[in-house]
Amino acid sequence: NAGVTQTPKFQVLKTGQSMTLQCAQDMNHNSMYWYRQDPGMGLRLIYYSASEGTTDKGEVPNGYNVSRLNKREFSLRLESAAPSQTSVYFCASSRRRDEFAGTFGSGTRLTVV
Amino acid sequence: KNQVEQSPQSLIILEGKNCTLQCNYTVSPFSNLRWYKQDTGRGPVSLTIMTFSENTKSNGRYTATLDADTKQSSLHITASQLSDSASYICVVSATRNYGQNFVFGPGTRLSVLP
Repeated sequence: NAGVTQTPKFQVLKTGQSMTLQCAQDMNHNSMYWYRQDPGMGLRLIYYSASEGTTDKGEVPNGYNVSRLNKREFSLRLESAAPSQTSVYFCASSRRRDEFAGTFGSGTRLTVV
Repeated sequence: KNQVEQSPQSLIILEGKNCTLQCNYTVSPFSNLRWYKQDTGRGPVSLTIMTFSENTKSNGRYTATLDADTKQSSLHITASQLSDSASYICVVSATRNYGQNFVFGPGTRLSVLP
């Protein structure tokens, strides 16, 4: 099993450009999440999807949009990238909405210049 | 405000030695506490999960303790190995407001030297 797969692993964007981070899980998990990790800070929740067909804002949703394409896939879109969005982005999944099983992807390192 | 603090920020030990990492939290109402290990360039991997009623839980050379009264947890690593070099993250979750209640600490960076 691959677990949680994120693409791309690295990306450099210019300010104002858009891009989509892809995430897929093969564990038949219902809930999926997008986090960002910044130096010296804990991971912060951007958006989550408790189940297929639903998405909700997390702690830091501004500047991002998400799509739960199906049960396996949960994408994160930056419509107009800003330098403040330079970060490492992690996708994660869990079996239930009330159980954070903590299965993370390997991360996407995004730099916005 | 829900917060999770970890200490020390970084730690260097020699291979074979023991160490203890600390986690203090103000998250309430408390549901559970997890310790994660994050290798450089990788996503976090869960080590242990503890609920309110659990005081100690072990996973191999890792032993986590929880004092729900003082809102403190520790992660003890025994007989450290080079592969233990990583960041260790404490995550505390509360029982309501799903999605915004998983509060991550900033992590402790552990370096194990030969």
